[in-house]
Amino acid sequence: RKEVEQDPGPFNVPEGATVAFNCTYSNSASQSFFWYRQDCRKEPKLLMSVYSSGNEDGRFTAQLNRASQYISLLIRDSKLSDSATYLCAVNSGAGSYQLTFGKGTKLSVIP
Amino acid sequence: EAGVAQSPRYKIIEKRQSVAFWCNPISGHATLYWYQQILGQGPKLLIQFQNNGVVDDSQLPKDRFSAERLKGVDSTLKIQPAKLEDSAVYLCASSLDRLGTSGYNEQFFGPGTRLTVL
Repeated sequence: RKEVEQDPGPFNVPEGATVAFNCTYSNSASQSFFWYRQDCRKEPKLLMSVYSSGNEDGRFTAQLNRASQYISLLIRDSKLSDSATYLCAVNSGAGSYQLTFGKGTKLSVIP
Repeated sequence: EAGVAQSPRYKIIEKRQSVAFWCNPISGHATLYWYQQILGQGPKLLIQFQNNGVVDDSQLPKDRFSAERLKGVDSTLKIQPAKLEDSAVYLCASSLDRLGTSGYNEQFFGPGTRLTVL
């Protein structure tokens, strides 16, 4: 099992749709979880940290399920500007600041 | 606040040539990372520095790659000699190495250097 796995995508959704991405991780000692957004030919930028209780930022909701070792990202009311690749990142273990990234899931929001 | 700076932005070389990349992290960030991102993949950590010391270089191909962070600020990553499979974007990231306002240690990325090996 790979350390961090994401839905392979791509996801092509119409504007206004709700889309969800899942990410599973293998290291049960991981404590920090993130979603990064990467636009084409740009660097990854932090979208959201994922808290144990789940967190919401506008149209974006992140959830963590420690028992099943997965995190999710929900985007409601998709906008054209949401088109990007979404990378899941998980720290490498207790006390570690290293991140392991998934391959990313590409989202295209279509007019 | 200035972000992570990297140069050059693009580099095209022939196989077996040498190349060097430079990174200047966010001021005050103790930890610096170099990642390799191959097209269609997520970033893969090559080396992690804390101040001027190496924390982890287990995924750095040491027969051809080297990196240094003199004085604990700027860093350079070198490839000598380059292979075709080294074509990728080389990303530098930095972090405070302590909990930020979000309660997590966030990494901030530079714009990357896109390397093409012919």
